[in-house]
Amino acid sequence: EVQLVQSGAEVTKPGESLRIFCKVSGYSFTTYWISWVRQTPGKGLELMGSIDPSDSYAKYTPSFQGHVTLSVDESVSTAYLQWSSLKDSDTAMYYCARHQWELPPDYWGQGTMVTVSS
Amino acid sequence: QLVLTQPPSASASLGASVKFTCTLSSGHSRYAIAWHQQKPEKGPRYLMTVKFDGSHIKGDGIPDRFSGSSSGAERHLTISSLQSEDEADYYCQTWGSLWVFGGGTKVTVL
Repeated sequence: EVQLVQSGAEVTKPGESLRIFCKVSGYSFTTYWISWVRQTPGKGLELMGSIDPSDSYAKYTPSFQGHVTLSVDESVSTAYLQWSSLKDSDTAMYYCARHQWELPPDYWGQGTMVTVSS
Repeated sequence: QLVLTQPPSASASLGASVKFTCTLSSGHSRYAIAWHQQKPEKGPRYLMTVKFDGSHIKGDGIPDRFSGSSSGAERHLTISSLQSEDEADYYCQTWGSLWVFGGGTKVTVL
C-alpha cells in the first residue's frame, strides 16, 4: 500500500527555521517525484516545488524560490521541506504528493499544519 | 495564462447524480485535467485524469460511480448514486512545468 506520511503540526515564531517531512512507503522512493503544495483559504492550492529523489534535482515555483528548500534522504525514503526564516504568511497547510514526470499526483500525504505567530 | 474555473458549490440528494465542471481558459481547451477529492481535515485524494477526448483514467480504488467526461474546454466529473461520504471539496488541476488548480467545488449531499 502506497503511503505518504507527514510530520505533525508545528507552531513557530517569525524568523525561526523549520523542517517538515514526508515519509513514503509501499513503492520505490526514487521512481516518483515528490512535490509540495501549500493550501490556504485565500489562495487555495499552490505548487511550491518538486524534487526528483533519484538525484535530488529540485525545481521551484518562482514565488517560492529562495524562501524554501526541498531535499530528500533516500536511506529513509523521506522528503523534506524547510524554511530558514519563517514569516507570518507561511501559516498554511502543507501537503506532499508523489507523481511521475509530467503526470498529475496520484497519492498525497495527510498534510502538516504550520502556524507562524509571534 | 491558464486558469481553471469551477463553480463554488453543487448539491444533490442522497442516491442521485451530480455533475460539475472545470472550465479551461481560452487557448487551453485541449489540456487534460486531474480531479482530486478533499474531505474535511484530510489530504486530497486523486480520483482520475480526464483528457480532451473525454477518456479518463481512474486512480487506485476509485468506485465506478465516479466518471469523467469532456466537452470542448469543459471537463466534467459525475458522481452517480451519491453517498454521504461523497461530501467533500473537489478540485481540478493541470500539470506540466507549472501546476494550476481550480478553486474547488464543495459538494453537499442533501
